[in-house]
Amino acid sequence: KNQVEQSPQSLIILEGKNCTLQCNYTVSPFSNLRWYKQDTGRGPVSLTIMTFSENTKSNGRYTATLDADTKQSSLHITASQLSDSASYICVVSAAGSGGGADGLTFGKGTHLIIQP
Amino acid sequence: EAQVTQNPRYLITVTGKKLTVTCSQNMNHEYMSWYRQDPGLGLRQIYYSMNVEVTDKGDVPEGYKVSRKEKRNFPLILESPSPNQTSLYFCASSPYSPPSINTEAFFGQGTRLTVV
Repeated sequence: KNQVEQSPQSLIILEGKNCTLQCNYTVSPFSNLRWYKQDTGRGPVSLTIMTFSENTKSNGRYTATLDADTKQSSLHITASQLSDSASYICVVSAAGSGGGADGLTFGKGTHLIIQP
Repeated sequence: EAQVTQNPRYLITVTGKKLTVTCSQNMNHEYMSWYRQDPGLGLRQIYYSMNVEVTDKGDVPEGYKVSRKEKRNFPLILESPSPNQTSLYFCASSPYSPPSINTEAFFGQGTRLTVV
């Protein structure tokens, strides 16, 4: 069964510090991997989409990496800000219909809290 | 502005009273989907639609109905709501079907439903 596991489940860091969130997946055949940011009570917003051939992709202070061989991805946040407090969700797409009913498998998210 | 609009944002209802949550997108997207989000479980797909008049079950379809009579609208219907359907609901759309193609999904702002 296709699965996406995220760690840690929750994380508290001080403002200005860096952090790294992890995503391991068993989705096959792999199509792409997405990271979403979800503010409390709001809908998820896309941060990055990475395909098989991409190892690193940046969006401002967010940098995502992908190792398709080990089926691992990470999201690195640099110089954290209070507005980074949110849940971060990893979503992996399967080519065809190998994931959920429509090829998407969701992780449960990492809840990140930035403290002043 | 390109967006996915859900209504209502908040709803409190009683067990057994039929309700509809509306979802509309203005981006001419083919693919639309409904999710529920519960603490510790992450986003779980309820139903999805690849195009007009084409709908299919997701992972947790019991107790829900959908329709896709027009490309822009994808309402979620609870014929006889029960307390275990208390949750945060999100509608999403993507340009193409299936959504595993390398395009991001756009999420609505969410509907917080409480069934008493």
